[in-house]
Amino acid sequence: KAGVTQTPRYLIKTRGQQVTLSCSPISGHRSVSWYQQTPGQGLQFLFEYFSETQRNKGNFPGRFSGRQFSNSRSEMNVSTLELGDSALYLCASSLESLPGQGEYEQYFGPGTRLTVT
Amino acid sequence: KNQVEQSPQSLIILEGKNCTLQCNYTVSPFSNLRWYKQDTGRGPVSLTIMTFSENTKSNGRYTATLDADTKQSSLHITASQLSDSASYICVVSALYNNNDMRFGAGTRLTVKP
Repeated sequence: KAGVTQTPRYLIKTRGQQVTLSCSPISGHRSVSWYQQTPGQGLQFLFEYFSETQRNKGNFPGRFSGRQFSNSRSEMNVSTLELGDSALYLCASSLESLPGQGEYEQYFGPGTRLTVT
Repeated sequence: KNQVEQSPQSLIILEGKNCTLQCNYTVSPFSNLRWYKQDTGRGPVSLTIMTFSENTKSNGRYTATLDADTKQSSLHITASQLSDSASYICVVSALYNNNDMRFGAGTRLTVKP
């Protein structure tokens, strides 16, 4: 079974631009969560989508948004990029929603390394 | 203050030695605690998941322990290998808040030959 895939793997953007990242979950998984990882803050939860609906949202500004399609693939968009948005963006898929609860395994993709200059 | 504190921040050991990583948390009420291994440039990979009622769980050479009373967990690595070099992240989930997963900053382990 193929794992979680993310595209692109690397991206360089300039301040003020916007960016869209893509995540394809493991086949059959309906939950996709997005995380931002930086050396200073570690892993931080952005949002979770389940069956095309945003279920949960972390403490990030409205510039960060996402969506999920009927095939469970998900996209994350960041508008008006800032230097502080430079990070590794990880997505993770899970069979069911609320992957933090119970013992549902959460599988991470390799991440997209975004650099904002 | 982070609700999940990991120690040490970094650790260097020789191949074949054992080591123990610590995770202290204040998340309450508690749902489960997970340990992840993250290789450089890759996404985290789950090692163990423990619920409130479990106090030890093994995955090969990795053994996690949990003391829910003192809110402490440890990850013990036996007979370390060079491939164990990675960051180890402790994640604690709150019982009631949807997907409220709190991540520790991680311990960076380096295994040297």
